[in-house]
Amino acid sequence: DAGITQSPRHKVTETGTPVTLRCHQTENHRYMYWYRQDPGHGLRLIHYSYGVKDTDKGEVSDGYSVSRSKTEDFLLTLESATSSQTSVYFCAIKGPAGTEAFFGQGTRLTVV
Amino acid sequence: AQKITQTQPGMFVQEKEAVTLDCTYDTSDPSYGLFWYKQPSSGEMIFLIYQGSYDQQNATEGRYSLNFQKARKSANLVISASQLGDSAMYFCAMREGDTSGTYKYIFGTGTRLKVLA
Repeated sequence: DAGITQSPRHKVTETGTPVTLRCHQTENHRYMYWYRQDPGHGLRLIHYSYGVKDTDKGEVSDGYSVSRSKTEDFLLTLESATSSQTSVYFCAIKGPAGTEAFFGQGTRLTVV
Repeated sequence: AQKITQTQPGMFVQEKEAVTLDCTYDTSDPSYGLFWYKQPSSGEMIFLIYQGSYDQQNATEGRYSLNFQKARKSANLVISASQLGDSAMYFCAMREGDTSGTYKYIFGTGTRLKVLA
């Protein structure tokens, strides 16, 4: 098992509040990713990181920001949550030697 | 333009039969990877099989095989001898950016497979 932990696993928050999701890895991998999963859309890339302080946008980055101050932690922040951001969020890391992406358990976020 | 296309939102297969899940992709990168993941109702993402763009032979992993047709840009998943436990959502994915070193994983919208007893 790749050592990826997401926290929290479940969260309910109110519209307009800030929310931060954490992804922690114990594998020392360079590349980390945040996805959201919605019915009919599969997994869509929000942001990704290719090293400490090195991040870039994915296809659905509006309303989200990320930070990576340490190799092991990749934070996803919703500055002001909206109902359209209700989703399941997955963190992933790129495995060694160009192999598959390993996923965390997911975070179910509900914005009411 | 969608880079990974899965045209089958849902499929049924009889237990012990084989089933093919379709996937087409689009990229201009000469080096890329193709993957299939399984997501059971419990929600975790389970890696099934990988095919590199330069691999000459189709990948196989147990009952899973990937039918890679590079010229047609297709990467279909074949599950042989279906089992009830194969009922799940299946995602096709592509890792692009190998040449530039950006390494992004792009996913299709998924196919929900139901295996019938």
